[in-house]
Order: sequence, then C-alpha cells, then structure tokens
Amino acid sequence: QQPVQSPQAVILREGEDAVINCSSSKALYSVHWYRQKHGEAPVFLMILLKGGEQKGHEKISASFNEKKQQSSLYLTASQLSYSGTYFCGTEFGSARQLTFGSGTQLTVLP
Amino acid sequence: GAVVSQHPSRVICKSGTSVKIECRSLDFQATTMFWYRQFPKKSLMLMATSNEGSKATYEQGVEKDKFLINHASLTLSTLTVTSAHPEDSSFYICSAPPSGSWVETQYFGPGTRLLVL
Repeated sequence: QQPVQSPQAVILREGEDAVINCSSSKALYSVHWYRQKHGEAPVFLMILLKGGEQKGHEKISASFNEKKQQSSLYLTASQLSYSGTYFCGTEFGSARQLTFGSGTQLTVLP
Repeated sequence: GAVVSQHPSRVICKSGTSVKIECRSLDFQATTMFWYRQFPKKSLMLMATSNEGSKATYEQGVEKDKFLINHASLTLSTLTVTSAHPEDSSFYICSAPPSGSWVETQYFGPGTRLLVL
C-alpha cells in the first residue's frame, strides 16, 4: 500500500518553513526521505527507524510517530536549493523494500 | 555516501528491440538491488527485487519475461527490456542497500531514460 503524502505541492518564499507529511495504513518499520530534482535520481535525506525518533540534518528535520504510522519532514528557513519533489519511502518489514509516496512538489521562490 | 552507477544514462531504440541497463554498486557489496520505473511527474514504482545468486522477485503486474533481471555478482545487476514498445518508455532507476547493514538506506543510481520509438 502506497503511503499518502500531503500536501501534493507547496510554494514558498525563501526563508519560510514547510512541513510535509507521510501517512501509512500499515505498521511501519522505517521511513526514508528523499528529494528528487527534475530529471535526476532521488537523493537520500534521512532515515527514521520505529521508536518515535526525530532526526535533523542542517535545517531539515523529521519525526516518526510509530503509533500514528506517520512521519513528517520539516524544512525551516527554506533555501532555493530545497526546490524539488520530496518522497517518503516506507519500509514495512526487514525486506529492505521501499514503497514510495506520491511525492510533494516543493518550489522555493526568491 | 555509497555510490551506485547506471549505464547507459539514456537510450533511444526502435520498437521491438531489446535494451540492457546495468546497475553497479561501486564501493560496497549488495546482495539485493531494486529496480524502479518512474513515469513523468509520478512516483517511483518498484518493479522487481534482484537477488544475487537467485531469481528476481517481481511485483504484481510486472511481466518477468519482458523485464529480465540478472544479478551476476555482488556489485552488478542488469535489467533487460525485451521487445521494447513505446509504452515502455520511462525513467528506470536502480537502488541498492549495502549488505550487512540494517540501518542504512538505499542508494540510488542516476537513472536511465529509455525512449522507444
């Protein structure tokens, strides 16, 4: 089952914040976040394992609520380079397979 | 991070021909590799799981006779699109999680853009 991402698209001004959500109907083993620029392969941002942890990477952080089976990606003080499509990839067991959400297109304007 | 390469990066072929795409893990071993297909403005859809030394596992709806997968070594998996048709035109991406590590993510290759005329 494909996880549901929201919103589908968001437009920001440089310096503004954004939150992208990823929800699953099945229990999650881990959540992986990627950013993809047009015509390129996805680039890994971070991985969150079950346990309700939160991770950070510069101005991008994420949380994982195991009970709610959802993860959120937080982008603070967005930069132009943050533009792209963000995908969450969910892992339901230890098979290492990822099922990707439909993506959130983020556009940061100057 | 770990590096995965794909070759070719783009290919144009005539309908009915076969196309082989290579996926290599350059600085780590991968007993498992994954093949995805992505249509424009769509998400990545898992096609199959490539297993070193054994048969690939295909997702529902993916024709195993059309998309042949061979995982010849711990660093190489190939996807052959046989008798390609225009509807097979897409962006094909492979990924690999490093073997022996259960906390690392998958690393993606740069992708292969296939256009079938």
